[in-house]
Amino acid sequence: SQQGEEDPQALSIQEGENATMNCSYKTSINNLQWYRQNSGRGLVHLILIRSNEREKHSGRLRVTLDTSKKSSSLLITASRAADTASYFCATVGSEKLVFGKGTKLTVNP
Amino acid sequence: GAVVSQHPSRVICKSGTSVKIECRSLDFQATTMFWYRQFPKKSLMLMATSNEGSKATYEQGVEKDKFLINHASLTLSTLTVTSAHPEDSSFYICSAREGEAGELFFGEGSRLTVL
Repeated sequence: SQQGEEDPQALSIQEGENATMNCSYKTSINNLQWYRQNSGRGLVHLILIRSNEREKHSGRLRVTLDTSKKSSSLLITASRAADTASYFCATVGSEKLVFGKGTKLTVNP
Repeated sequence: GAVVSQHPSRVICKSGTSVKIECRSLDFQATTMFWYRQFPKKSLMLMATSNEGSKATYEQGVEKDKFLINHASLTLSTLTVTSAHPEDSSFYICSAREGEAGELFFGEGSRLTVL
């Protein structure tokens, strides 16, 4: 299985701090994506990083990808209470999108 | 941006009945749609891949006769849970692919409760 696995499973920080979530996967990928899910809601696509890219930025989000270690990290800078959600990494190999178990981020005001 | 709409967002039904969930891409044509199931505090499990005009491809362990998927047009895919049982209670999410870059757009999900 090429399923991504995030760590930590849960992360609680104070507003203004940075949040770092990691994702590891097992097989070769075409790209890796990070999604956000508010409780009981659908998913929102955050950022996509291709297998030939090492780092990507989008607003307060920074994603890195290390294909040699089969790992990725998502950094949220200057976190806000509204960032509280579950974050999933998803890998795309042969077209299918496979999700990890997610990191539940809580940002305390 | 692209929007995927799911309906209904919540449905409660009696055991033994069938429930249909719709997934629509509102402003783009989706040749491929995916259906996921999410158990409480768990990740999303891919159930099936739906291609317009052809039979859906089901993941291992997913009963195709129980979870009927139809993708009759480029903007609509439906998931029908047949003869629903309480263990089918779950959060079902669809997604639709726009373009070939692998980026998907997700619906808001449908919470099914089978009594």
